[in-house]
Amino acid sequence: GAGVSQSPRYKVTKRGQDVTLRCDPISSHATLYWYQQALGQGPEFLTYFNYEAQPDKSGLPSDRFSAERPEGSISTLTIQRTEQRDSAMYRCASSLNAAGLEQYFGPGTRLTVT
Amino acid sequence: AQTVTQSQPEMSVQEAETVTLSCTYDTSENNYYLFWYKQPPSRQMILVIRQEAYKQQNATENRFSVNFQKAAKSFSLKISDSQLGDTAMYFCAFTDTSGTYKYIFGTGTRLKVLA
Repeated sequence: GAGVSQSPRYKVTKRGQDVTLRCDPISSHATLYWYQQALGQGPEFLTYFNYEAQPDKSGLPSDRFSAERPEGSISTLTIQRTEQRDSAMYRCASSLNAAGLEQYFGPGTRLTVT
Repeated sequence: AQTVTQSQPEMSVQEAETVTLSCTYDTSENNYYLFWYKQPPSRQMILVIRQEAYKQQNATENRFSVNFQKAAKSFSLKISDSQLGDTAMYFCAFTDTSGTYKYIFGTGTRLKVLA
């Protein structure tokens, strides 16, 4: 596609529910990153993929967070048993490859847990 | 651990004036890249400028330029001839070349350009 897209753009969920966020990277890009951005803060790294491999998930805050990219294209980030502290903007970015350096960011999904 | 610090939470500048946003970072790596990203009210993340650590020459993109001081681990952004459309959050970011190429961001500087 022309750019990185994410859906939904906004998600409101009740505490304890599971949510799944979707990222569709630029079609030629092998590498995909997930970041979490709390209000008033900079984005923080969660995890990344090279094609379908997930070499680094060190930024995932707890085992309630998981991500996958089964066919090396679209990725999903799932948060189980959501908590209020999970409320944030979740950003996806893609780059040409792992050494592509420049990351292209999607518009983000704003998650609110009530 | 690598860190990025932006010590100016908010700044303002008159239209057509020049403003400088500060960023310092800490790393033990020798090869790395630094970026400035703009986040307007639309909340998009837009790359403004990029600097490779091995290049001594400061990067420039139209009205945007950087002052990269490697020894001091400083990477400031200068915006010349400020325009109302420059109003945004500005994030400084770092990535090294030895691992995942994940970005480490500062906490941002909110810039307001005044008419």
